[in-house]
Amino acid sequence: NAGVTQTPKFQVLKTGQSMTLQCAQDMNHNSMYWYRQDPGMGLRLIYYSASEGTTDKGEVPNGYNVSRLNKREFSLRLESAAPSQTSVYFCASSEPSGQGSFQPQHFGDGTRLSIL
Amino acid sequence: GEDVEQSLFLSVREGDSSVINCTYTDSSSTYLYWYKQEPGAGLQLLTYIFSNMDMKQDQRLTVLLNKKDKHLSLRIADTQTGDSAIYFCAESAPGYSSASKIIFGSGTRLSIRP
Repeated sequence: NAGVTQTPKFQVLKTGQSMTLQCAQDMNHNSMYWYRQDPGMGLRLIYYSASEGTTDKGEVPNGYNVSRLNKREFSLRLESAAPSQTSVYFCASSEPSGQGSFQPQHFGDGTRLSIL
Repeated sequence: GEDVEQSLFLSVREGDSSVINCTYTDSSSTYLYWYKQEPGAGLQLLTYIFSNMDMKQDQRLTVLLNKKDKHLSLRIADTQTGDSAIYFCAESAPGYSSASKIIFGSGTRLSIRP
């Protein structure tokens, strides 16, 4: 049971380089999310996709773009990496919440990204 | 606005009970969650509680919810070394598009001492 798969697991970039983080889920979920995790700050939502063909900004979208390639895949792109984007990036997926329905998010193992 | 707060660190002796506390601000949250993150891994859903419940017990885990004070706690009985992890409190935020938006706290790092 793969669940949510993120690639790569680790990456080091130089300032100004571009990079695409890949995420795929095999649970047939409609919604997908990208978070960043920084020490002492928990997880902050970067972008999300409620369903295939839609994307929306989260709490910290600046410096990032996303693509919902199909129902399975949701990629995160850094066009010009900055040291402030050094973080651990997590992808998650879920079914839409509806009215009071229980729809937890399922997480990948993360991509550890360092920008020098 | 929505906010979830929890202390950053907790140290307990092996075999004792651990209690991790959390406060949240959105009284309309339908579900409140506890996620566990082990070193080098993603977050795993540990347990959750529906907002109309006061308590939920699942083996060694007990979740208490005080809606009046917007306070959530996670009690782990007989804490073991395998419980060492970061524990995230989170609340659902219904009405945010059709996605299942969740607001996470900053996480409590639980360490176990012999």
